[in-house]
Amino acid sequence: QQQVKQSPQSLIVQKGGISIINCAYENTAFDYFPWYQQFPGKGPALLIAIRPDVSEKKEGRFTISFNKSAKQFSLHIMDSQPGDSATYFCAASNFNKFYFGSGTKLNVKP
Amino acid sequence: GAGVSQSPSNKVTEKGKDVELRCDPISGHTALYWYRQSLGQGLEFLIYFQGNSAPDKSGLPSDRFSAERTGGSVSTLTIQRTQQEDSAVYLCASSRSGRGETQYFGPGTRLLVL
Repeated sequence: QQQVKQSPQSLIVQKGGISIINCAYENTAFDYFPWYQQFPGKGPALLIAIRPDVSEKKEGRFTISFNKSAKQFSLHIMDSQPGDSATYFCAASNFNKFYFGSGTKLNVKP
Repeated sequence: GAGVSQSPSNKVTEKGKDVELRCDPISGHTALYWYRQSLGQGLEFLIYFQGNSAPDKSGLPSDRFSAERTGGSVSTLTIQRTQQEDSAVYLCASSRSGRGETQYFGPGTRLLVL
């Protein structure tokens, strides 16, 4: 059973547009929700993370929106740039174990 | 400082052979994770080490897979009698304490079983 469900599988956005990736989880014990960015041939790198005591966290062009009651969280990339083209993974953690979504391949068209 | 390193970066082996994959975590990080990433898929948890505690092996897919961590630092993931379905990228990550802390990933080892 997949602990974290991520959508869409792929996303095409024009330069300057907003990219939105969604994740949903079932286990209410999860207490840490990071997003990772992965470029081809590289390992994932932490982009931004949130804990369930806040509903939103913003770092530069990247924002996480968190809806605890709906058990959903999303990544918004404002003013998307071609350099943002990568695969994005959401994850959820309970103490020391991490569960990853299946990934979203983002392509930002120039 | 140095990040997580993994070796080899690529490994091609024949079905039935054993392989060893190595991970050097960031110095001082007590938590170490192994994941498997199949083509176009998410990360599948394999095993977790935290300090001197017994590892969490709940993600290992079969008894052909094993891992050890020597001296609380370097870790080796061993796959015995490799099968074609073992072909994937094996990623290692470390974190300072593992308690919901940021994980830092290595570049991965790309394993191809022919």
